[in-house]
Amino acid sequence: DVKVTQSSRYLVKRTGEKVFLECVQDMDHENMFWYRQDPGLGLRLIYFSYDVKMKEKGDIPEGYSVSREKKERFSLILESASTNQTSMYLCASSKIGTGGGHTQYFGPGTRLTVL
Amino acid sequence: QQQVKQSPQSLIVQKGGISIINCAYENTAFDYFPWYQQFPGKGPALLIAIRPDVSEKKEGRFTISFNKSAKQFSLHIMDSQPGDSATYFCAAREGTSGTYKYIFGTGTRLKVLA
Repeated sequence: DVKVTQSSRYLVKRTGEKVFLECVQDMDHENMFWYRQDPGLGLRLIYFSYDVKMKEKGDIPEGYSVSREKKERFSLILESASTNQTSMYLCASSKIGTGGGHTQYFGPGTRLTVL
Repeated sequence: QQQVKQSPQSLIVQKGGISIINCAYENTAFDYFPWYQQFPGKGPALLIAIRPDVSEKKEGRFTISFNKSAKQFSLHIMDSQPGDSATYFCAAREGTSGTYKYIFGTGTRLKVLA
């Protein structure tokens, strides 16, 4: 079974803190993604990566950065957390592939609260 | 600007009934349309998916209907069960091989009454 793990299920931080969210997948997937999920807004893509040290901006990258030093690990960084970044953060991974389903596998999420 | 519009936002269905969730899109470059199911406290999981060259795909009680000309697709859950109570997301894929990304709808919270 594919497993995507996220470092914390719940996290509480203060405004202005630097926050690291870690994601690890164990299926040798090339692609990894960070989303935030908010009620009524669905899942919105923050950043994605299709290879080590490669990254692409998603739809809402402002206030976030990412790091991918190893294939299995993709980190989301909030340089200076703000209250409007309170959200559920979901990591996902998928294989590269032509044609094919290209299924995304999601982690359980990290619920971040910024006070 | 919502590229994938999903409705309804919430849905209540009696056990044994049919649940229908609709999605519409604008970008004709989308080439793959999955549906995800999410239970409370869990991440979304792929339920069923369809390509735009197919008008219908069925897997058990779950069916996707796809109307390419109308740029709409829908999820039908036949014989809905209380265990189907979850949030459902439609999605659409864009990009090229290796750099695909997905655009998600806003989600539908389904409750199936026993």
